[in-house]
Amino acid sequence: EVQLMESGGGLVQPGGSLRLSCAASGFTFSSYWMHWVRQAPGKGLVWVSRVNSDGSNTLYADSVKGRLTISRDNAKKTLYLQMNSLRTEDTAMYYCGRETCTDGHCYFQHWGQGTLVTVSS
Amino acid sequence: SYELTQPPSVSVSPGLTASISCSGDELVDKFISWYQQRPGQSPLLVMYRNTRRPSGIPGRFSGSNSGGTATLTISETQAMDEADYYCQAWDSGAVVFGGGTKLTVL
Repeated sequence: EVQLMESGGGLVQPGGSLRLSCAASGFTFSSYWMHWVRQAPGKGLVWVSRVNSDGSNTLYADSVKGRLTISRDNAKKTLYLQMNSLRTEDTAMYYCGRETCTDGHCYFQHWGQGTLVTVSS
Repeated sequence: SYELTQPPSVSVSPGLTASISCSGDELVDKFISWYQQRPGQSPLLVMYRNTRRPSGIPGRFSGSNSGGTATLTISETQAMDEADYYCQAWDSGAVVFGGGTKLTVL
């Protein structure tokens, strides 16, 4: 069974840093591209970032570029999101998602339960 | 940047058909996925590649993409279908979500 388990969320002051983790199990982690998606309280889903299977290629939403860094450790089967220079608008539930591709189309069939990041003084 | 537009809310009576739309530029050239999110839960994939249902999703759920609008249709709507629904597409390697539609089953 595919499982994704996020951790590392919490309360942090504006300008602070946090590192989120997403532990994967039940599949060959090193074969899949992985993503972070966030959801501010009461708001919709917003894509944050993605990393390819070996970690050599990353892409970010404009709103987080230069402040958030996605990475992965395939030996540990873990995805990371390093969050620096945090702003109040970064407050959200952060989900990791596994990208699955079929017949030329990719989608998110597996999601973690999320970890909550609150940026507040 | 690319945008997907959904109605904020849709209401339906139990047993009837609900349709949730998703519009965007040149949408016909893209594959759309749909996600259901109940309060306090993670998103759940209910449709991919416009019309394909994942294993375990009831046959009441169907999808289409034509004329610049993608549509998620839920027939014989049940109370358990009440949730937020998001469409999703790809644009230049980045993921784009619609703003979400709250489906209320009255």
